[in-house]
Amino acid sequence: GNSVTQMEGPVTLSEEAFLTINCTYTATGYPSLFWYVQYPGEGLQLLLKATKADDKGSNKGFEATYRKETTSFHLEKGSVQVSDSAVYFCALKAAGNKLTFGGGTRVLVKP
Amino acid sequence: NAGVMQNPRHLVRRRGQEARLRCSPMKGHSHVYWYRQLPEEGLKFMVYLQKENIIDESGMPKERFSAEFPKEGPSILRIQQVVRGDSAAYFCASSPGDSLNQPQHFGDGTRLSIL
Repeated sequence: GNSVTQMEGPVTLSEEAFLTINCTYTATGYPSLFWYVQYPGEGLQLLLKATKADDKGSNKGFEATYRKETTSFHLEKGSVQVSDSAVYFCALKAAGNKLTFGGGTRVLVKP
Repeated sequence: NAGVMQNPRHLVRRRGQEARLRCSPMKGHSHVYWYRQLPEEGLKFMVYLQKENIIDESGMPKERFSAEFPKEGPSILRIQQVVRGDSAAYFCASSPGDSLNQPQHFGDGTRLSIL
């Protein structure tokens, strides 16, 4: 079956530090890949997506590249802000249209 | 805000009662999905519906849980005879179609607490 593995948190950073959250996946077929962000007490917001190999999704300074050869979709941001503190979820969608999520990574950015 | 609307935001039930969670998809979206998030865990798929049809219910517990998406009105996730283990956040998502590259848009969830 399909699965997503992402690094466990919490990840604690200082403002303006570089952020990387690793995500690897296992899927039958050729999935689309997504990063979602969840702020406290809220639902998930789509952060970025990529639908084919070597696609780079980007939004709000975050980037992730679909690497088929390593089955990875790592999330990066060059300079984090306090407002980036949230839980980040990597997810895939393969045939069947349902999302399979990783366990989430909590990020805490300190001033 | 024309996003996915879920209500109530918080729901408290005693063991043995029924819980009804409602979800109105984004305008123009005919595909609805329900996910459950246990504390400190990721989201797990429960059920996928289109208007008047259940497409995939492979993530639904076999007993006490049911879902519908009628021709008119919101989608309903119904939990009968709730137990403590049902305490979780339940999220609804919607999409306009079933294309692989279409993201799903999420509501703010219903936090269900069982006393």
